Amino acid sequence: DAKTTQPPSMDCAEGRAANLPCNHSTISGNEYVYWYRQIHSQGPQYIIHGLKNNETNEMASLIITEDRKSSTLILPHATLRDTAVYYCTSPPHGTASKLTFGTGTRLQVTL
Amino acid sequence: DGGITQSPKYLFRKEGQNVTLSCEQNLNHDAMYWYRQDPGQGLRLIYYSQIVNDFQKGDIAEGYSVSREKKESFPLTVTSAQKNPTAFYLCASSIEILFRGSGNTIYFGEGSWLTVV
Repeated sequence: DAKTTQPPSMDCAEGRAANLPCNHSTISGNEYVYWYRQIHSQGPQYIIHGLKNNETNEMASLIITEDRKSSTLILPHATLRDTAVYYCTSPPHGTASKLTFGTGTRLQVTL
Repeated sequence: DGGITQSPKYLFRKEGQNVTLSCEQNLNHDAMYWYRQDPGQGLRLIYYSQIVNDFQKGDIAEGYSVSREKKESFPLTVTSAQKNPTAFYLCASSIEILFRGSGNTIYFGEGSWLTVV
């Protein structure tokens, strides 16, 4: 099973890019990396996921290293509303019932 | 709007009482899940259901019960046997239990806060 490791907290100035790292050195070749975020007292919100290639959507970009041992979530122009806990996760063998969320990275966006 | 609706948002329970948290989805998803989140902690899986009339225990099922009589609904009952029920409860759903490829992920409701008084 892919165990993920994230820094507990990060700060980012509003308008700057926020780069959130995640280590997943034990990930298997067919296991996706997923990113979610959770604003206080709300349910987690899906952001993006990827397997090998870099991915981009309207919320963020996901950069996965060639060896797939780590990834970086990029919020290109962080706003105060992006302040949240960000979770990197990978469901073992693609089994959704095994999807786990650790304590994530608390991103604080400041003026 | 399509999504997952949980109710109530806030619930207070007396010691020894059973309470039921509602979860309804209109995403036509087969799989549904219940998670528990304690302050400053990650999510822990209570129960999940792959399809109607089927459900399986997760990592912390003791003191909880569920039913899946309809595809859209997956209510969670917190029984008096649950020793420490005060927590944030999250319902979620996905197209199917296996993430076979791109496009499948878990979507969450807004959560329900349960407090024992």
